[in-house]
Amino acid sequence: DQQVKQNSPSLSVQEGRISILNCDYTNSMFDYFLWYKKYPAEGPTFLISISSIKDKNEDGRFTVFLNKSAKHLSLHIVPSQPGDSAVYFCAAQGGSEKLVFGKGTKLTVNP
Amino acid sequence: NAGVTQTPKFRILKIGQSMTLQCTQDMNHNYMYWYRQDPGMGLKLIYYSVGAGITDKGEVPNGYNVSRSTTEDFPLRLELAAPSQTSVYFCASSLNSYEQYFGPGTRLTVT
Repeated sequence: DQQVKQNSPSLSVQEGRISILNCDYTNSMFDYFLWYKKYPAEGPTFLISISSIKDKNEDGRFTVFLNKSAKHLSLHIVPSQPGDSAVYFCAAQGGSEKLVFGKGTKLTVNP
Repeated sequence: NAGVTQTPKFRILKIGQSMTLQCTQDMNHNYMYWYRQDPGMGLKLIYYSVGAGITDKGEVPNGYNVSRSTTEDFPLRLELAAPSQTSVYFCASSLNSYEQYFGPGTRLTVT
């Protein structure tokens, strides 16, 4: 059973617009959430994270929102740039040293 | 700082052969992890280590072995390679078990 779900395999947006990537989780023990970005033929790189004691965390163009009651988080990228085109993984952690990853969403930002 | 390095980058194995995937980190991180990523899937944890001399199984440990004799190195051993082990393998390390830093990956094909 998937504890972390990214239901959209792909997303396409125009340069300059907002990209919204979504992630749902089922395990109530999760208390820390991360987003990773992955380019082809490279390892994932850490992008932004949020603790369950917050509902928003912002870093430049990237903002992560957490809705604990809905067990939902989202990553907003504003404005989107062609260099943001990559696969984005949502990950969650709680009660152990292990991260649980979603399957990823491929973002394409069109010039 | 080289970060997390993995060798080799690519490898083709015949069914039944064995090999060791090397992983080294120079950040003095206690936590190290091995993941595999199959096409269209997220990262699945194979094994992890919370410090030298300590290893534990992840979600998909069958067919693999690990050791952690030093803080820096965390090799992954495949015995009796099978086609189901065709995948991209990522090693990661972490200071505090939260943000993980990934290597560039090893693409393994078993035929």
